[in-house]
Amino acid sequence: DSGVTQTPKHLITATGQRVTLRCSPRSGDLSVYWYQQSLDQGLQFLIQYYNGEERAKGNILERFSAQQFPDLHSELNLSSLELGDSALYFCASSVGPGDDDGYTFGSGTRLTVV
Amino acid sequence: SQQGEEDPQALSIQEGENATMNCSYKTSINNLQWYRQNSGRGLVHLILIRSNEREKHSGRLRVTLDTSKKSSSLLITASRAADTASYFCATPLTQGGSEKLVFGKGTKLTVNP
Repeated sequence: DSGVTQTPKHLITATGQRVTLRCSPRSGDLSVYWYQQSLDQGLQFLIQYYNGEERAKGNILERFSAQQFPDLHSELNLSSLELGDSALYFCASSVGPGDDDGYTFGSGTRLTVV
Repeated sequence: SQQGEEDPQALSIQEGENATMNCSYKTSINNLQWYRQNSGRGLVHLILIRSNEREKHSGRLRVTLDTSKKSSSLLITASRAADTASYFCATPLTQGGSEKLVFGKGTKLTVNP
């Protein structure tokens, strides 16, 4: 157990639907990062939050949104889902940017869009 | 776009042999990190090497960094079947005052018993 909890582990949904992925960071970590991993694109950075505020945005589609709550857990919302959104979605956390311990990753949510 | 690129894409060796993976990156960095991912699982941080370091060891892992060539290598000595995994290098990219890790596509290592 890495200390980063992601739920659900698996999600199967239909095109056009909306889903919410949840992440609880490791205790004491203020930064949360979301990544998408697919076979063809590799690990793509989506978005980062630090202590409730959005800090950096990557290749995140407009159909996707995220937030970090006062208790530091984060949610990634994916809407109008397409087949191409099928991927592993990882949440990672760190104490803050530049943390020497690197990122701690959760075990991921495997999203399958059918 | 990818900051780091690992080479080779795949590597198959026998247990007991050493495994070497390479990573090249494009821009100046203050550190470079290596991660391991077992199939379908989350990534695990292995080691961080700073830009002013040339070599770092952690157990059976040895990482080198050559900032003049913008490259790093990860050596796993006396490999075991349990080392079978994908290995990624990651470099921090500063954007808008914040830092994010950018990962390469990884090297898939298979250690045969």
